[in-house]
Amino acid sequence: DSGVTQTPKHLITATGQRVTLRCSPRSGDLSVYWYQQSLDQGLQFLIQYYNGEERAKGNILERFSAQQFPDLHSELNLSSLELGDSALYFCASSVDVQETQYFGPGTRLLVL
Amino acid sequence: EDQVTQSPEALRLQEGESSSLNCSYTVSGLRGLFWYRQDPGKGPEFLFTLYSAGEEKEKERLKATLTKKESFLHITAPKPEDSATYLCAVQGFGNQFYFGTGTSLTVIP
Repeated sequence: DSGVTQTPKHLITATGQRVTLRCSPRSGDLSVYWYQQSLDQGLQFLIQYYNGEERAKGNILERFSAQQFPDLHSELNLSSLELGDSALYFCASSVDVQETQYFGPGTRLLVL
Repeated sequence: EDQVTQSPEALRLQEGESSSLNCSYTVSGLRGLFWYRQDPGKGPEFLFTLYSAGEEKEKERLKATLTKKESFLHITAPKPEDSATYLCAVQGFGNQFYFGTGTSLTVIP
C-alpha cells in the first residue's frame, strides 16, 4: 500500500458525459501527478500540481482539467467523454517536485 | 523529441536465469531516472531512483545502473514472484515525466 488513495475504483459512463476522479496523496506529500494508461500507449503524463499550483503539463486534452485543493487532495475532471478516453487513470504523489512518485491503485474508466 | 525506449518488450526467463532490461532515453536536462514494477491492474510500485551517470542502486535481486544515455535493470537469479512489467521513467527539463512502455517479465519455475 503506497498511501495514495483514489476513488472511485471503477467508473462506467456514456460518451458525452463528464466524470470526476479523486486522489488523496500520501501524508506529507505536496505534489500530485495524474497519468493515463491505455493498452496501446503506456503511461502518459497528464499534469502535475504542487501545493495547489500547476507545475507541469503533459499531454492533457483541453476536455480534461485538474485542480489541487487546500487540503492537498486533487481532482481530475474529464468532460465530453469519448470511447478513446477509456483507460486506467493513476494519481501519484511525492514530497517535492523532484522526489520519487508513489502511485495510487488507479481508477478504471470505461466509456460506452 | 524527448522519449524513453525500453527493451525487450517481453522477456521469459527460467527461474535462476539472470538477465538485464534496458531503458534508453533522449531527454533534455535529465533530472532523474526511475524504475517501477507494475503488476496487472495495479499502480506502479517504486523500485529505484538514479540521478547521475555512474550511479548504482541495489535491492534484493535487482540492481539498477545509469549511464548518460541509458539505464539497465539487472535481475540476478530471478524467482517467479519477480514476474511483472518493469517501467522506466525519466524526468526532464520543466518537470516533464516520460515513461517507457515497459518490459513484461515472466519467470518460469
